[in-house]
Amino acid sequence: QITLRESGPTLLKPTETLTLTCTFSGFSITSSPVGVGWIRQAPGKALEWLAVIYWDGDRRYSPSLRSRVIISKDTSRNQVVLTMFNMDPVDTATYYCARRPNYHDMSGTFDYWGQGSLVSVSS
Amino acid sequence: SSELSQDPSVSVALGQTVRITCQGDSLRNYYASWYQKKPGQAPVLVISDKNTRPSGISDRFSASNSGNVATLTITGTQAEDEGDYYCLSRDSSGTHSPFGGGTTLTVL
Repeated sequence: QITLRESGPTLLKPTETLTLTCTFSGFSITSSPVGVGWIRQAPGKALEWLAVIYWDGDRRYSPSLRSRVIISKDTSRNQVVLTMFNMDPVDTATYYCARRPNYHDMSGTFDYWGQGSLVSVSS
Repeated sequence: SSELSQDPSVSVALGQTVRITCQGDSLRNYYASWYQKKPGQAPVLVISDKNTRPSGISDRFSASNSGNVATLTITGTQAEDEGDYYCLSRDSSGTHSPFGGGTTLTVL
């Protein structure tokens, strides 16, 4: 059974750094061609693709957030971490992690998703 | 371009067929995957790579591609199909996977 779970702070102040952890089970991120990514949804807004890290360490970032985001993995703990710098109220959103089953696919599919972690940014 | 465009909303009578479209240049070379999103719930993959349906997804859901348009079709639409639907693909460089803006489906 594949599961993913997000954890991290629920409230941040502007300019602070967000660190979110995705803890997963039922698959290995050391197995080709698997990846784990982060997606967010601000209130009333569309889903937004943020970043993905793959089994071989390859990292891909949204062009609009590349300067503020780092994705990393801890294979021994089955975790993927999203770090986002200089948080702003517009970054208030539910953040999801999801499994990317196949780097080589034709559609960018995420097949299994966590339940999401609501992060609010407010002074 | 990496942009994917969707109509903001669509409605369908209970039991009828509805088509939700996703338009973008990348779809000439790639497929779309499709996700159902309900308030307070995580997105659910309803159509996977190359228009395949994941295990456990109703066969009411199907998808197709033509030119730069991907289409999600729901036949015999049920009340529980209400929600937001998002398409996702890859851009031409394969480095970024944008979501479409989403389509809100209302079942009348």
